[in-house]
Amino acid sequence: EVQLVESGGGLEQPGRSLRLSCAASGVKFDECAMHWVRQVPGKGLEWVSGISWNGGSIAYAASVKGRFTISRDNTKNSVYLQMNSLTVEDTALYYCAKGGISAAGSGSLFYFYGLDVWGQGTTVTVSS
Amino acid sequence: DIQMTQSPSSLSASVGDSVTISCRADQTITSYVNWYQQKPGKAPKLLISAASDLQSGVPSRFSGSGSGTDFTLTINGLQPEDFATYYCQQTFSTPPWTFGQGTKVDI
Repeated sequence: EVQLVESGGGLEQPGRSLRLSCAASGVKFDECAMHWVRQVPGKGLEWVSGISWNGGSIAYAASVKGRFTISRDNTKNSVYLQMNSLTVEDTALYYCAKGGISAAGSGSLFYFYGLDVWGQGTTVTVSS
Repeated sequence: DIQMTQSPSSLSASVGDSVTISCRADQTITSYVNWYQQKPGKAPKLLISAASDLQSGVPSRFSGSGSGTDFTLTINGLQPEDFATYYCQQTFSTPPWTFGQGTKVDI
C-alpha cells in the first residue's frame, strides 16, 4: 500500500520559516512526480508546488514563487517544502500528493493524470 | 493561468438520486481533467482521471465525461457515503494545475 506521511507543520510567526517533509512508502519513489497542495480550513484546494522524479522539473504557484522551495531526496523516499518569508495567508493544511501517470513519461511533472495518492496533511499556522 | 469554474457550489440530494456536477475550463484542456472526493477531516481522493477513467476501487455509479472545455461528474444512485465535497482539477500543459471551487453534496 502506498503511503505518504507529512510532518513539520506548526505555529510560526510572519516572516519566519518552516520546512515540511513528506515520507513515502510502498512505491517506487524515484519514478514519481510529487506535489504539495494546501487547503485553508473551510476553503478549497490550492496546488502549491511540484517536482519531477529527478528534480529536473520544478514548478510553483505564483502565490509562493520566490518564497517556497521544493526538493526531494530519492535515497530517503522523501520530498520537502522549504517555506520562507511566511505570511498569514500561508496558514493552511498542507498535503503531499503523488502525481499520477504522465503522458510525458514516468515521473514527469507535466501532462499527468491526477494526484492519485495523498497524505493526511500537516497544519501550518502563521500568526504573531 | 487556466481557470476552472465548477457548478453548482452546493446541492442537496437524496439517497438514490442522480447528481451531475459541471466543470468548465476557460481554454481547451483536451481530457486533462480529474475529479476528487473529499470528506470532512480527510484528504481528497482521486475518483476519475483523464475526464472519464474511473480509478481502481471507485464504484461504477461514478462517471465522468467531457473534453475540450466542458466536463461533468455524474453520480448515479447516490449513496450515504457519497455526501462529500467534489473538486475538479486540470492538469494540462504548464502549471499552475488549478482546482475548481468545489461542490458540496449534502442531504
